[in-house]
Parts: sequence; structure tokens; C-alpha cells
Amino acid sequence: EVQLVQSGAEVKKPGESLKISCQGSGYSFPNYWIAWVRQMPGKGLEWMGIIYPGDSHTRYSPSFQGQVTMSVDKSASTAYLQWSSLKASDTAMYYCARRQIGPESTVNWFDTWGQGTLVTVSS
Amino acid sequence: SYVLTQPPSVSVAPGQTARITCGGINIGSESVHWYQQKPGQAPILVVYDDTDRPSGIPERFSGSNSGNTATLTITRVEAGDEADYYCQVWDSNSDQYVFGTGTKVTVL
Repeated sequence: EVQLVQSGAEVKKPGESLKISCQGSGYSFPNYWIAWVRQMPGKGLEWMGIIYPGDSHTRYSPSFQGQVTMSVDKSASTAYLQWSSLKASDTAMYYCARRQIGPESTVNWFDTWGQGTLVTVSS
Repeated sequence: SYVLTQPPSVSVAPGQTARITCGGINIGSESVHWYQQKPGQAPILVVYDDTDRPSGIPERFSGSNSGNTATLTITRVEAGDEADYYCQVWDSNSDQYVFGTGTKVTVL
């Protein structure tokens, strides 16, 4: 069974750093892009960026470029999302999701999602 | 960047049909995917590539896409279908993934 398991909820203060994780299992982790998606309280889904575990190639949404850093540890089948200095406005649920691709490269969607990591930033 | 617009809410009686729209410029030329998110849960994929269903998703869920509107249709609606639904495309022009604004489906 394909699974993405995320790290647990975090409570941090503004200015602190944080790294959350997403571990894949049940498939060849290096061969599938992993996306990160933010959901602020009571709001919709926002795509943050995507990383290819095979070579750590990344693409960021302009809205999140420079605000977060994605990375992977292929040997641990784990993707990471990190902040160097959190703000109260980073309070949200963060999901990782596996990208699946169709017969054409222009057809791609997210077929498996992690359970989410709730990040709360408050003084 | 590409914008996908959904109605904030749709209400439907049990056993009836719910139709959730996703509007975007010439969206009919894109591949559209739909996700269901129940309260307190992660999203799950219910329709991909306009019309296909992942294994385990009931046939009651179907999709269509033409012109400037994609539609997720849920027939014989059940109480368990109450959730938020999001459409999604990959915008090849900007190389970004875009989610719709989301629609809350309420079963009366």
C-alpha cells in the first residue's frame, strides 16, 4: 500500500526554525515527485512547491519562493519542508502529496496524500 | 497565474444529484482533477484526468470538462458525501499547480 506519513503537530514561537517530514512507503520513492500543500485555518488548498527525490530538483510557487525550503533524504524515503524563521502567518496545516503522471506529461495529479502536519506559530 | 473558480457552496437532498463546477479560461483544453476533503481529514482524489476514477471511488462520482467549465457530478448523494471539493490543474504556461477555490457540499 502506497503511504505518506507525516511528522506530528508542532507549536513554535515566531522567529524559530522548523523542519517537518513526509515519509513514503509502498512504492519507489525516488521516482515520484512530492508536492507540499498549505491549508490555512478555514481556507482552501495552496500549492507550495514540488521536489523530485531522484535528484532533489525543486520547483517553488512564486508565493512561497524564499519563504520555505524543500529537501529530501532518498535513503530514508523522506521529504522535508523547513522554515528558518517562522511567522504567525505560517500557522496552517501542511500536506505532502505524491504526484502521479498520465500517458502525457501534461497530465499530472496528486494520487496519495499524507495525513497532514499542523504547525502553530504563536508567542 | 491561472485562476479556477468554484461556487462556495452547494446544497443537495439525499438521493439527488450534486453538480460542482470549476471555471477557468479554456479549461476544456486542460486536464482537471478533483479532490474530496472531509472535516479534519486530508484530501483524497476522486476524479483524475477529467473523467477517470481511482480504484475504490464509487461510480456515483463522475467528471466532465468542456469549454470554460469542468464539472464534478455526484449522483444518488449520501450523507457521507458531505465535504469540501477542490478542482486542480497543472498550468503548463507557468509550470504551477493550481487548486480551485473549493466548494462545500451540504447534504440536507
